[in-house]
Amino acid sequence: EPEVTQTPSHQVTQMGQEVILRCVPISNHLYFYWYRQILGQKVEFLVSFYNNEISEKSEIFDDQFSVERPDGSNFTLKIRSTKLEDSAMYFCASSEGIGEYFLGQPQHFGDGTRLSIL
Amino acid sequence: EDKVVQSPLSLVVHEGDTVTLNCSYEVTNFRSLLWYKQEKKAPTFLFMLTSSGIEKKSGRLSSILDKKELFSILNITATQTGDSAVYLCAVEEKDSSNTGKLIFGQGTTLQVKP
Repeated sequence: EPEVTQTPSHQVTQMGQEVILRCVPISNHLYFYWYRQILGQKVEFLVSFYNNEISEKSEIFDDQFSVERPDGSNFTLKIRSTKLEDSAMYFCASSEGIGEYFLGQPQHFGDGTRLSIL
Repeated sequence: EDKVVQSPLSLVVHEGDTVTLNCSYEVTNFRSLLWYKQEKKAPTFLFMLTSSGIEKKSGRLSSILDKKELFSILNITATQTGDSAVYLCAVEEKDSSNTGKLIFGQGTTLQVKP
């Protein structure tokens, strides 16, 4: 069964450094998402992405964050000047759609990247 | 503020028991409600509910949505140790661009003892 893959599984970074989290969505999916889950807290929406642009972003997704689809398969989340509070599990998700018509298909999640900021 | 609340937060049962997990929500621009099972890593999709009163079933799991009372339940019959996991309820909210974002509850941790 097709799945969303994320790399790396665990990233340890010094505070202030930049990190790039990578995701390969399911191949025929058109809608992409990032979520994060701080230890012991709820899964929180960060950003949705469609047609090479951001569709919606949460209050968490400030200028420190950016997303990109650099080629036909990868979807990346960049976090600049990381802070201790950025430590969390980051999940990528994708869902189907046909062109501009969002079919309301379920979002499928990757295994996540555990980001630890020291 | 949009919110999704699950209950109970944790549950311990024995194999063979039936469990009911609850999810209530207050979300504007509701599109659908989803249930996921999270064992160690990725939340795994279980059900997507869009209409009231129509039960969805998959093996021993079933779920139903009540859009008037704004809640959903997930039932698991004849529980097995492999059902031990965190069960996440998420409401999909339609945004201005017509894509959807998920608003999650805090999850119910189910432990099934042999």
